[in-house]
Amino acid sequence: GQQVMQIPQYQHVQEGEDFTTYCNSSTTLSNIQWYKQRPGGHPVFLIQLVKSGEVKKQKRLTFQFGEAKKNSSLHITATQTTDVGTYFCAGRRDDKIIFGKGTRLHILP
Amino acid sequence: NAGVMQNPRHLVRRRGQEARLRCSPMKGHSHVYWYRQLPEEGLKFMVYLQKENIIDESGMPKERFSAEFPKEGPSILRIQQVVRGDSAAYFCASSPPGGQAIRGGNTIYFGEGSWLTVV
Repeated sequence: GQQVMQIPQYQHVQEGEDFTTYCNSSTTLSNIQWYKQRPGGHPVFLIQLVKSGEVKKQKRLTFQFGEAKKNSSLHITATQTTDVGTYFCAGRRDDKIIFGKGTRLHILP
Repeated sequence: NAGVMQNPRHLVRRRGQEARLRCSPMKGHSHVYWYRQLPEEGLKFMVYLQKENIIDESGMPKERFSAEFPKEGPSILRIQQVVRGDSAAYFCASSPPGGQAIRGGNTIYFGEGSWLTVV
């Protein structure tokens, strides 16, 4: 069946270091969305990418959508303690939205 | 403009009892999704509903679980004869009508979740 794979599962970084999480789909996606979930909280929408090769930035966050619309990445520059949480990608194909298992980011002071 | 409303936020049930979780989508949203999140794990798709229609229930367990989204009122996820393994956070999300989805996709917005504990 359709899968969305996300790596790594966990990432520990020193505060100030960069962080990247990758998302790969077995099928072509209509779009991809990224969400952040703080510990004990609910997923909060960050961004949506629709076009092949699209790149979007939000302050220290850079989101990319692959040319084949099967993969995506989220890069955080100079992490801060407020970046702690789990980052999920979610791929849409037809009307189904499938989430990756998420990458849990832990910041070391 | 209220967001996606879920209740109860926390629910404790004894094994064998029934659990009912409710979700009111955002105003103007006619699509509802239910996801389950086990401790320390990701979000697992359960079911996708429109008003009075189940569109995709491929993620629903075959037994004991059911979902509905009536013409009036909230969407309800029902778990009958709960077992310890049903303990999880159940998130509801909503999105606008499907026409917008076809044109390029629209985001889904999550409620704050219902935490079910089976004792």
